[in-house]
Amino acid sequence: KAGVTQTPRYLIKTRGQQVTLSCSPISGHRSVSWYQQTPGQGLQFLFEYFSETQRNKGNFPGRFSGRQFSNSRSEMNVSTLELGDSALYLCASSRDRGDRGTEAFFGQGTRLTVV
Amino acid sequence: GENVEQHPSTLSVQEGDSAVIKCTYSDSASNYFPWYKQELGKRPQLIIDIRSNVGEKKDQRIAVTLNKTAKHFSLHITETQPEDSAVYFCATSGYSTLTFGKGTMLLVSP
Repeated sequence: KAGVTQTPRYLIKTRGQQVTLSCSPISGHRSVSWYQQTPGQGLQFLFEYFSETQRNKGNFPGRFSGRQFSNSRSEMNVSTLELGDSALYLCASSRDRGDRGTEAFFGQGTRLTVV
Repeated sequence: GENVEQHPSTLSVQEGDSAVIKCTYSDSASNYFPWYKQELGKRPQLIIDIRSNVGEKKDQRIAVTLNKTAKHFSLHITETQPEDSAVYFCATSGYSTLTFGKGTMLLVSP
């Protein structure tokens, strides 16, 4: 069974640009959550999608957005990139919604560097 | 929203010692408490989890205890080995998606 796949693995972007990251969940999983990981800040929740609907959103500016497709694949977009957006972006897939206590499986992450 | 505090941020032990990591949470609706291990350069992986109707769970050298009244839960690793060196994250979920603590870097010296 294939795991959670994130593409691309690495990205270097310039301030002001926008970027789109992709996450393919485990087959049969309908929930995809996105997290930003930076040193000392742990895993900060961005948003969760379940059956193509955004269920929850973390405390991030509107420059961060996402969507989920009918095959459960998800994308997140960051517009007008800032230096502080440099981070490892992780997605996690679960069979059920995040509030139902199901195990979350993480992808390898996309390392975004903004210069 | 939910707030999860994790302590300590760094923990150094000698091989064979025990290690304990503690987390407190704020949302009384939290009912699922997983622990993740993240080795350097790798993805976080679930090592053990517990639900609110259980007070303790063990899996070989790893155990988790939960005190719902006090809103805290702990990870216990016995007979630590160098391969246990990693960052450990606690998390909770209740009404919302998993909320993580800031992590504990565990260093096990041979």
